[in-house]
Amino acid sequence: NAGVTQTPKFRILKIGQSMTLQCTQDMNHNYMYWYRQDPGMGLKLIYYSVGAGITDKGEVPNGYNVSRSTTEDFPLRLELAAPSQTSVYFCASSGSNEKLFFGSGTQLSVL
Amino acid sequence: GENVEQHPSTLSVQEGDSAVIKCTYSDSASNYFPWYKQELGKGPQLIIDIRSNVGEKKDQRIAVTLNKTAKHFSLHITETQPEDSAVYFCAASPRNSGNTPLVFGKGTRLSVIA
Repeated sequence: NAGVTQTPKFRILKIGQSMTLQCTQDMNHNYMYWYRQDPGMGLKLIYYSVGAGITDKGEVPNGYNVSRSTTEDFPLRLELAAPSQTSVYFCASSGSNEKLFFGSGTQLSVL
Repeated sequence: GENVEQHPSTLSVQEGDSAVIKCTYSDSASNYFPWYKQELGKGPQLIIDIRSNVGEKKDQRIAVTLNKTAKHFSLHITETQPEDSAVYFCAASPRNSGNTPLVFGKGTRLSVIA
């Protein structure tokens, strides 16, 4: 099992550019999440999904969008990148037992 | 909503000593309390969890205790080794409230000095 796979691992964006962070899981989990982690800080929830077709905002959703068209995939979209979005982004998934499985992260710099 | 406080933010111990990290939560409906370990450059990984119907759980050198009355839970690592050096996060799940995601503490950076 690959678990939770995130791509890309690293990305540098210019201010105002857009990009999509990809996340896919092969564990047939209903729940999927996007977190951001600023240097030396904890995890902040951006968006989450409880199943295909259902998404909801977390603590810090501004500047991001998500979609969940399939159980496996949960992409995160940045429309107009800003320096404040420089961070490490983690995707995670869980089943009914609430145990979260995290991907290895995407390190994003907006310059 | 749920609020999780974690202490200390940094902790240094000598190899072989024990380490204790404490968390408090605010929502008495929370019923699931996991601990995650994040090594440098990696995503967090679940190391142990406990549900509200038990007071303690052990897995080799790590243990978690839960006091529901006081609304706090702790991670205990015995006989620490250099590979225990990492950031540890506690979390609480008010899942009784529906599909509410885990709420994480701010993390503890543990350094084990050889």
